[in-house]
Amino acid sequence: EPEVTQTPSHQVTQMGQEVILRCVPISNHLYFYWYRQILGQKVEFLVSFYNNEISEKSEIFDDQFSVERPDGSNFTLKIRSTKLEDSAMYFCASRWGSDQPQHFGDGTRLSIL
Amino acid sequence: SQQGEEDPQALSIQEGENATMNCSYKTSINNLQWYRQNSGRGLVHLILIRSNEREKHSGRLRVTLDTSKKSSSLLITASRAADTASYFCARANDYKLSFGAGTTVTVRA
Repeated sequence: EPEVTQTPSHQVTQMGQEVILRCVPISNHLYFYWYRQILGQKVEFLVSFYNNEISEKSEIFDDQFSVERPDGSNFTLKIRSTKLEDSAMYFCASRWGSDQPQHFGDGTRLSIL
Repeated sequence: SQQGEEDPQALSIQEGENATMNCSYKTSINNLQWYRQNSGRGLVHLILIRSNEREKHSGRLRVTLDTSKKSSSLLITASRAADTASYFCARANDYKLSFGAGTTVTVRA
């Protein structure tokens, strides 16, 4: 069964450094998402992406964050200057169409030192 | 808040018993989705129930939706040790899922 894949599984970065998290959504899906989950807390929405543009973003998704779909398969989340509070599990998700379930990857654990 | 909120926060049952968890929400929905998360892993989609549906089944899972009460329930029948996980409901609008805090289910052998 097709799945969403995320790399790396664990990323350790110094505070202030840039980090890029990578995702390969399911191939025929049209809608793409990033969520994050701080340890012990709820899964929080970051951004949704459709037709090569952001559809909606949360308050968390400030100017330090950006997303890109550089080709037909990858979907990336960039954090320009990481902060300690960016430490979390980041999940990528995709779905095919309206009223369809979102399928999640296994996540990237981001640790900021 | 538009988020789904689950109840109870934690549930411990014996293998073979049924587990029921509830989800409440505050605003209108396109659909409501239930997910499972094993410790340290990703979210696995279980069932999607649309706003015009009242009940759905998938294997040992049964989900109900009452839009008048803005609530949903997930029933796991004949539980197994492998069902030990956190379960989340998520309210879906056009752009995103809004998750609740989840119910942690422990199935004792």
